[in-house]
Amino acid sequence: AQTVTQSQPEMSVQEAETVTLSCTYDTSESDYYLFWYKQPPSRQMILVIRQEAYKQQNATENRFSVNFQKAAKSFSLKISDSQLGDAAMYFCAYRSFLTGANSKLTFGKGITLSVRP
Amino acid sequence: GAGVSQSPSNKVTEKGKDVELRCDPISGHTALYWYRQSLGQGLEFLIYFQGNSAPDKSGLPSDRFSAERTGGSVSTLTIQRTQQEDSAVYLCASSLASQNTGELFFGEGSRLTVL
Repeated sequence: AQTVTQSQPEMSVQEAETVTLSCTYDTSESDYYLFWYKQPPSRQMILVIRQEAYKQQNATENRFSVNFQKAAKSFSLKISDSQLGDAAMYFCAYRSFLTGANSKLTFGKGITLSVRP
Repeated sequence: GAGVSQSPSNKVTEKGKDVELRCDPISGHTALYWYRQSLGQGLEFLIYFQGNSAPDKSGLPSDRFSAERTGGSVSTLTIQRTQQEDSAVYLCASSLASQNTGELFFGEGSRLTVL
């Protein structure tokens, strides 16, 4: 079974600075997806960024980028130019490339990010 | 609908009562998932539906928990004889089974408090 580990429960960043959130995972599969989801106080999970394991290039979405190290099974999220609206809980998640009953997301325990004005 | 809709948003019940939580997925999404999020914890998988069938029920914590899906659309999660440890946010997500992006779309969840 796959596992996702987020070892930092909380982090804080100064507005406009850069912060990196860590995530490691364990799997025996070679093809899979990795995600970072954001959960604001509204509770709705919002997709921040996605990475396909077969792609060597790190995904980027505006101020958000990842450092995907497949051999090390590491998937960190970098937030540049942090904004007050980035304050939320962030979850790292794994999904098999297989469909059907293997398609559920496996989540880490999340990290609470606070942004200091 | 435009997004995944869940009701009720908040539910307070007494220990021993039954509760039903509803999820209305994005129109056309054939895959539907239920997760549970306890205070300060990650998301715990409960059950997965493909159409009306549930090929993966492995996350249901006890036989007090059940779920059904009708018409390939709305799903109901039922918790019988609720216990205080059932207090959590229950999140529903849906996706197109055939999509190649892998993304799940989530609702805002139902917060259950068992007194």
